[in-house]
Amino acid sequence: AQSVTQPDIHITVSEGASLELRCNYSYGATPYLFWYVQSPGQGLQLLLKYFSGDTLVQGIKGFEAEFKRSQSSFNLRKPSVHWSDAAEYFCAVGAQAAGNKLTFGGGTRVLVKP
Amino acid sequence: SAVISQKPSRDICQRGTSLTIQCQVDSQVTMMFWYRQQPGQSLTLIATANQGSEATYESGFVIDKFPISRPNLTFSTLTVSNMSPEDSSIYLCSVGSRSGNTIYFGEGSWLTVV
Repeated sequence: AQSVTQPDIHITVSEGASLELRCNYSYGATPYLFWYVQSPGQGLQLLLKYFSGDTLVQGIKGFEAEFKRSQSSFNLRKPSVHWSDAAEYFCAVGAQAAGNKLTFGGGTRVLVKP
Repeated sequence: SAVISQKPSRDICQRGTSLTIQCQVDSQVTMMFWYRQQPGQSLTLIATANQGSEATYESGFVIDKFPISRPNLTFSTLTVSNMSPEDSSIYLCSVGSRSGNTIYFGEGSWLTVV
């Protein structure tokens, strides 16, 4: 069975500082990996995804993530955080073999200090 | 890409009643997925809806509580039966691309049970 762990429930970062959100997954086959963001009162927005190829993936809003198979990780990074990045971030794992259903991590809430 | 429309977008429901949520996709898809996001929580898969067969439910979810219909390749409904305040959640519909490497979500149906 697939699973996803986001070790950090909350992260507080100063505006302009760098951000890294951790994601560890467990899946027997080659995973598809996703990062979603959810702002308060909003739906899910896809930031980026990995399914093959280059292990460093670029996404929207200046985010990137690196797939490390040896560490079963897919950490999300942003070099300089903006106040609008305050939101809940979800890492998810899926696979075509699983029929496109996703397993989500518990989420990390990011607070941005001015 | 796929565009997913969910109805209702929000509703306030009385305890003990049932509510049916609709999910309409602008293209034909084999599988549709229903997720629940309880307040302050991550997303949990409720069931997978296949056209022409019974839905497949995840552990902890049963058909009597969450009956699902899938009459064709572009439409599905999820009913939340005999609602209690614990059912107050966002319910999201999701589909995958043919290749399996892109997952689309609807905007969600925000239910509050009073």
